[in-house]
Amino acid sequence: SQQGEEDPQALSIQEGENATMNCSYKTSINNLQWYRQNSGRGLVHLILIRSNEREKHSGRLRVTLDTSKKSSSLLITASRAADTASYFCATDENFGNEKLTFGTGTRLTIIP
Amino acid sequence: DAGITQSPRHKVTETGTPVTLRCHQTENHRYMYWYRQDPGHGLRLIHYSYGVKDTDKGEVSDGYSVSRSKTEDFLLTLESATSSQTSVYFCAISERDRETEAFFGQGTRLTVV
Repeated sequence: SQQGEEDPQALSIQEGENATMNCSYKTSINNLQWYRQNSGRGLVHLILIRSNEREKHSGRLRVTLDTSKKSSSLLITASRAADTASYFCATDENFGNEKLTFGTGTRLTIIP
Repeated sequence: DAGITQSPRHKVTETGTPVTLRCHQTENHRYMYWYRQDPGHGLRLIHYSYGVKDTDKGEVSDGYSVSRSKTEDFLLTLESATSSQTSVYFCAISERDRETEAFFGQGTRLTVV
C-alpha cells in the first residue's frame, strides 16, 4: 500500500477562497514535500518541511506537519484559477534508504 | 526547468513485446526514480537508483527491470509488456541530501494492446 494518502480526493472551491488538503503517512520520515501536477504534465515541487518543523510558509502556501499524528496539511490562500491542479504529498522515509514515495493526490478545481 | 528528458513520449506496443523507456538527465544528480501514474493510485514507485549500477525496487517492481550504466541515463525495461502496464511513466531526479526536491520529466504514455 502507498505511504501517503491525501484527503479529500477532490475539492472544488470558488476563486478567492482558501483550499485545504491533508496528507497522512505511515512511517517515520525525514521530511515531507508537496507537489503540484497540471493536467498532462510532470510534477512540480512546491514546498518541503523537515520532520523537526511544524509549520512553513511560501507565498500563498502554508504547510503544517504533525509527526505524532503522521499527518500534514497544505493550505492555499486566496485561490486563483491557475491553482487548478492535482496536489501530492511525498515522504522521504527515515529508514536509511532513499525512497521518495507519493500519495494518491487531491484534485483541486478553482471555479472562476 | 531541470535538464531531464524522457523518451519516447508516447508509445503503443503489443502484449508480450519488450519495451525500454529512457530517462536522461544533464544535472549530474545522484538519485533517479521511475514512477507509474494510474487513476486512483497517484504515483507509485517502480525502481530507483542511488548511483551508477546501484538500484533498488519500489512498491510495484514486478515485471520491470532497470539499469543505470552512466550517471545521466536510467533505463526502465518491461521484459514482456502486459495490458496492466498501460500507464503514464514518470522519471524523476534528485540530489537527495534529504533536503532537496525532486525534478520530474514530462512523462511517457505507454499503451499495451
